[in-house]
Amino acid sequence: KAGVTQTPRYLIKTRGQQVTLSCSPISGHRSVSWYQQTPGQGLQFLFEYFSETQRNKGNFPGRFSGRQFSNSRSEMNVSTLELGDSALYLCASTSGAGEQYFGPGTRLTVT
Amino acid sequence: GESVGLHLPTLSVQEGDNSIINCAYSNSASDYFIWYKQESGKGPQFIIDIRSNMDKRQGQRVTVLLNKTVKHLSLQIAATQPGDSAVYFCAETPPGTYKYIFGTGTRLKVLA
Repeated sequence: KAGVTQTPRYLIKTRGQQVTLSCSPISGHRSVSWYQQTPGQGLQFLFEYFSETQRNKGNFPGRFSGRQFSNSRSEMNVSTLELGDSALYLCASTSGAGEQYFGPGTRLTVT
Repeated sequence: GESVGLHLPTLSVQEGDNSIINCAYSNSASDYFIWYKQESGKGPQFIIDIRSNMDKRQGQRVTVLLNKTVKHLSLQIAATQPGDSAVYFCAETPPGTYKYIFGTGTRLKVLA
């Protein structure tokens, strides 16, 4: 069974731009979560989607948004990028039993 | 955002010794816990999980212990190998929240 895939793996953007990251969960998993990982703040929860509905959201500004499609693939969008948004963005898919598996992440650098 | 701590503790062990990595979780209602291993440049890798109705679970060379009384989780790695060098995170999930809360992480260094 293929794991969680994320695209792109690396991205460089300029302040003020927007970015869209994509995640394909493990086949059969309907829950997708997004996390931001930085050296200073560790792994922080962004949001979780299940069957195209956002069920929970972390404490991030409205510039961070996401969505999930009917095939469970998910995207997250960050608008008006700031230098502090530079991070590793991780997507995780969760089985019905609660086992959560991560993708390799997208490394976003904002200059 | 929700995350614990800014400093990453480090555990150094000799190759072949057993390692014990500890984690204090935050929510007494959490009913499911996972240990992850993260190597440099990679996403966290699922190692082992445990539910709150258990106090011990064993995998291949790893054992997770759960002490709900003091909200403590530990990961024991037997016969630690150089390939075990990584950052280890524990994660908890309170029921009905659909989110996982991660600990600070512990860096494990295996000395040859």
